[in-house]
Amino acid sequence: QQQVKQSPQSLIVQKGGISIINCAYENTAFDYFPWYQQFPGKGPALLIAIRPDVSEKKEGRFTISFNKSAKQFSLHIMDSQPGDSATYFCAASIGTSGSRLTFGEGTQLTVNP
Amino acid sequence: SAVISQKPSRDICQRGTSLTIQCQVDSQVTMMFWYRQQPGQSLTLIATANQGSEATYESGFVIDKFPISRPNLTFSTLTVSNMSPEDSSIYLCSVEGSHTEAFFGQGTRLTVV
Repeated sequence: QQQVKQSPQSLIVQKGGISIINCAYENTAFDYFPWYQQFPGKGPALLIAIRPDVSEKKEGRFTISFNKSAKQFSLHIMDSQPGDSATYFCAASIGTSGSRLTFGEGTQLTVNP
Repeated sequence: SAVISQKPSRDICQRGTSLTIQCQVDSQVTMMFWYRQQPGQSLTLIATANQGSEATYESGFVIDKFPISRPNLTFSTLTVSNMSPEDSSIYLCSVEGSHTEAFFGQGTRLTVV
């Protein structure tokens, strides 16, 4: 059973545009929601994370929006750049452990110059 | 942040053989995690390895197939036993940082022929 569902599977955006990736979860016990960025041949790297006590978190061009009642969260990449082209994974975990993670299926983002 | 080194970075193995993957961390950590990333897919947690105790395996993964050692607080190994082509994946080591974020190694790309 896939506990974290991610969409879209792939996304193409023009440089300067906004990239939006969505995730939905089923387990209401999840209380930590990170986003990871993965380049080919590399391990995933933490981009930004949120806990359910806030509805939005912004770090630079990256924003997480969180809707607890809908059990959904999304990643917005403002002013998308070709260097943002990568695979993005949402994830979720329970408690303080950020490493026992359940991942979404991933979104391959391509930003065209 | 934690720096994680995995060896080997890639390997091609014959079916029926076993491969041991090493994970070295530059600082002492309580828990280490092993994930599998099948081609073009998401990451799935295999097991959690604590120093001085047996590893805890996730549903669908068993110790006979994926034995894990954790001899000290900076090192762990994952063995993929009696390999078949279905075991072809990227295997990733992960540790939890001081603020619950997860750090990943660069992964071991395994191809079974």
